Amino acid sequence: TQLLEQSPQFLSIQEGENLTVYCNSSSVFSSLQWYRQEPGEGPVLLVTVVTGGEVKKLKRLTFQFGDARKDSSLHITAAQPGDTGLYLCAGATSGTYKYIFGTGTRLKVLA
Amino acid sequence: ETGVTQSPTHLIKTRGQQVTLRCSSQSGHNTVSWYQQALGQGPQFIFQYYREEENGRGNFPPRFSGLQFPNYSSELNVNALELDDSALYLCASSLRGRGNEKLFFGSGTQLSVL
Repeated sequence: TQLLEQSPQFLSIQEGENLTVYCNSSSVFSSLQWYRQEPGEGPVLLVTVVTGGEVKKLKRLTFQFGDARKDSSLHITAAQPGDTGLYLCAGATSGTYKYIFGTGTRLKVLA
Repeated sequence: ETGVTQSPTHLIKTRGQQVTLRCSSQSGHNTVSWYQQALGQGPQFIFQYYREEENGRGNFPPRFSGLQFPNYSSELNVNALELDDSALYLCASSLRGRGNEKLFFGSGTQLSVL
């Protein structure tokens, strides 16, 4: 059974601080996605990474896919209250089209 | 706005009852995936429909079933409801084709089983 573990589970930081969220698995993924979910809403796609070692930037967010395509990280620089939400990673293995979601990291950024 | 709509938004049922949840896909999308999300957890994959056929299933019992219609809208049916079925049910539509699929989620149906 594929399992995507995210850490930390909860994170509460002050505005302006930096943070990193990790997504780890023993499975190899053909692609990995990151989503953010706000209360009462469905997850919203932030980025897709497909190549081992790939780094993508989205404003203050930096996403990296591990060389072996088993893990990924999300780094936020100078966090803002608007970054508050549940961050989810989701991976798909080769030959399948189903995305398995991680356990989630709940981020709260205090003003 | 993702263009994916789910109905109803909230639902209260009692144990043993049956429920049907509905999802309208984003225009042009041919694939629908259903997820169950317990409070504070990541979404759990239930199943996926592509061109009206089930195309992958997660670790859910047969009392969870679904349909996809020719217009690519979808239903999730749950029979013999149990208390643990209380959760947010999310529908995601996507376009199966070359490249990696991007999932577009609806806002979900919050199901409470009493």
